[in-house]
Amino acid sequence: QKEVEQNSGPLSVPEGAIASLNCTYSDRVSQSFFWYRQYSGKSPELIMSIYSNGDKEDGRFTAQLNKASQYVSLLIRDSQPSDSATYLCAVGTYNQGGKLIFGQGTELSVKP
Amino acid sequence: KAGVTQTPRYLIKTRGQQVTLSCSPISGHRSVSWYQQTPGQGLQFLFEYFSETQRNKGNFPGRFSGRQFSNSRSEMNVSTLELGDSALYLCASSPAPPNTEAFFGQGTRLTVV
Repeated sequence: QKEVEQNSGPLSVPEGAIASLNCTYSDRVSQSFFWYRQYSGKSPELIMSIYSNGDKEDGRFTAQLNKASQYVSLLIRDSQPSDSATYLCAVGTYNQGGKLIFGQGTELSVKP
Repeated sequence: KAGVTQTPRYLIKTRGQQVTLSCSPISGHRSVSWYQQTPGQGLQFLFEYFSETQRNKGNFPGRFSGRQFSNSRSEMNVSTLELGDSALYLCASSPAPPNTEAFFGQGTRLTVV
């Protein structure tokens, strides 16, 4: 079992729709959770961080964390073609210092 | 505030050579982590340095090494390059992990021929 799993996609949504990206993790002591966006040929860009159960909203982005289910998700409302990218889920654990474990990423395509 | 700076951006090396990559973190950040990204394996953790000490190391051979200087700048070195070392090498800086956000540099694209 991979430590952090994401559906590879591609996930295709029409412009203006809600895109839902999911991630599961295997280590129960994981404490920090991040979503990165990576455009083709570019480096990952941090878009959301979440540490506690529940929802965290930032503009069109909402991160959701459920530690009991070991599940974290990212919702993108009013999706735009510029949101088309690969979204990486990353998980950190307290006793691992700054080490982040990344999922393989979900490719999102927003069609005009 | 300047971001994470990695140099060089692109490198072409021959098998058997060695290479040194450099990373300057965001001002005030004391932690630097290195990752290797390939199409097949995704983003994989190499090592992390905090206050000049390596705190964690990923599952890579000893040919991969690194260090951090007193100004938090970091270098990683790969010796005896193999074709499979061709990848995007990413550096990320954080203020003071754990549980703090990491910001990536633009990466160094290494091609081994």
